Amino acid sequence: ETGVTQTPRHLVMGMTNKKSLKCEQHLGHNAMYWYKQSAKKPLELMFVYSLEERVENNSVPSRFSPECPNSSHLFLHLHTLQPEDSALYLCASRQLNAGQAGDEQFFGPGTRLTVL
Amino acid sequence: GQQVMQIPQYQHVQEGEDFTTYCNSSTTLSNIQWYKQRPGGHPVFLIQLVKSGEVKKQKRLTFQFGEAKKNSSLHITATQTTDVGTYFCAGPITNDYKLSFGAGTTVTVRA
Repeated sequence: ETGVTQTPRHLVMGMTNKKSLKCEQHLGHNAMYWYKQSAKKPLELMFVYSLEERVENNSVPSRFSPECPNSSHLFLHLHTLQPEDSALYLCASRQLNAGQAGDEQFFGPGTRLTVL
Repeated sequence: GQQVMQIPQYQHVQEGEDFTTYCNSSTTLSNIQWYKQRPGGHPVFLIQLVKSGEVKKQKRLTFQFGEAKKNSSLHITATQTTDVGTYFCAGPITNDYKLSFGAGTTVTVRA
């Protein structure tokens, strides 16, 4: 159904753990995104990668570290998180067409993260 | 900074009734997109509007882009239980890379 996959789908971690979220897109898109979705809050953009280069870092704490090794894969490395970081983390991909129609974002199913 | 605002936050609808959700931007948008997120799911793209005053229909859903390209609306007629979910509008801000999402309208349906 979706061209964007995310693993794991659920993750529980302690504040001292280190974990990584993985995203893979099979759509041939040239841009990838990380979003955070908390209860009762709008979607918050975290990072944007275009052609494997980070073009946006939306004032995200350094305990979140993104990595984009190629145009199909995106990682979010997590370390020393806080309980308030518990949220749904969504990956999205998009083909940037300089303002033309059809530049919608395709979201993955998300990783539900709980920080204890 | 530029933000996209959306109202109402919650919409409780009797099955068969119509409702509308509204989206407003502080500045002119090059385009507006609408997404739907079912409970427990992820946002799924519905439609994109580009032209001033544009109106597009998808079955019982009617999407409109304002003349000034600062506001948009989604109108659903004869609401069904399959319409349950959260509807987000989103518009590009600052540059073409970024979308600002509205807070969403969460729709529940009474049978």
